[in-house]
Formats: sequence, structure tokens, C-alpha cells
Amino acid sequence: RKEVEQDPGPFNVPEGATVAFNCTYSNSASQSFFWYRQDCRKEPKLLMSVYSSGNEDGRFTAQLNRASQYISLLIRDSKLSDSATYLCVVNYWDTGGFKTIFGAGTRLFVKA
Amino acid sequence: NAGVTQTPKFRVLKTGQSMTLLCAQDMNHEYMYWYRQDPGMGLRLIHYSVGEGTTAKGEVPDGYNVSRLKKQNFLLGLESAAPSQTSVYFCASKESVNTEAFFGQGTRLTVV
Repeated sequence: RKEVEQDPGPFNVPEGATVAFNCTYSNSASQSFFWYRQDCRKEPKLLMSVYSSGNEDGRFTAQLNRASQYISLLIRDSKLSDSATYLCVVNYWDTGGFKTIFGAGTRLFVKA
Repeated sequence: NAGVTQTPKFRVLKTGQSMTLLCAQDMNHEYMYWYRQDPGMGLRLIHYSVGEGTTAKGEVPDGYNVSRLKKQNFLLGLESAAPSQTSVYFCASKESVNTEAFFGQGTRLTVV
């Protein structure tokens, strides 16, 4: 089982739609969580952190469910510019140090 | 601010050749990481470092070596390149364990 798993998609949605992605993680001792956005042939960039109490930033909402070991990202009122790959990130301590593990990403296409 | 800088940006190697990828960060970050990204596989952790003089293995360390002689630099070495190492390599750095990771622009390596 992969440490961090995401539905690869692609998700094809019209402008204005609401879309949600989930990401599951296997290490119950994971400490922190993030969502990153990656545009084609570019480096990943931070979209938002995921807090236990949930986190909202404009049209984007991130939530954490520790009991079921998953995080989610909700995008409301999708824009064409939201088309990208969304990566979830999980951080935890390991024997060698602190690891930052990325999911394989979920591709989103927003159509006019 | 330069942030995280990777050199080179592109490289073509012949099988069996060696090379070193350089990652430099000017943010005084303790943590540095090397990832490779392949289609459908997402970002996979090769090696990482939790401070100057330290290194640890990630998910896919075979065929690679790293060094962190200076805090600002994290070098990734390929001693004998193989076609399976054709990939896009990303370096990242973090201030502390649960903070945002900043990425370099990536190195596109082709081994023929």
C-alpha cells in the first residue's frame, strides 16, 4: 500500500462547478498535511495547509479526518485557471528523520 | 530572492556516465529533499537531509548518492546513469518539519 494515495483523475468539470478531491495516508502518526498545486512542467507550489479544525481560503476548503486518515480539498465555483494537478502532502517522523511524502496527484481540467 | 535554485535545468547523459545535480537554497533552511517525478507516479522521495552533514534514504534511493557538506547546498549524484533514471528531478527545502516546502524549477534528465 502506498503511504499517500490520491485518485489520479482526471476530473473534467465545467466552469462554476464544485469539485472535491480526497487523499488517504497510511501512517497514523502523521503530523502535518498540505495541498500543493502543480501546473504542467512546473514545480509544485503550496496551495494551502490542512488543519485539524479545517481551513478555508476563498473558494478552497481543506479538511482533515484523522480517524479515517484522509484529507480533502473542495474547490467551489471552479475557474479555468484552476486547471492543474493537485498534490497532497503528508509529514511524519521516521527513523532517518522527518519525511515529506507526496501523493501522485489528481488532475483537474476546468472547461468553459 | 532566489529561493531554491537547481542546476542544470536540462541534461542528456549516456548510459554509464556520471553527473551531479546541485540544489542551492538561500533561505537558511535545515531540511532539504530530492524527488523524482515520473508520469503517473507523482513525486517520489530519493534522499533527504535534516541538517548540514546529515543525509537519509527516501523511497527510491538506489542508484543515487547525496551530500550536504554546506547547509545551503544539497547535491544529488548519479555514479553510473541508467535509462530508468530518465526523469524530472526536483529539489525542495523547508524551514522546519511542519512548514511549507519550497521547490526548485526542476532538472529534466534524459539517459540514452
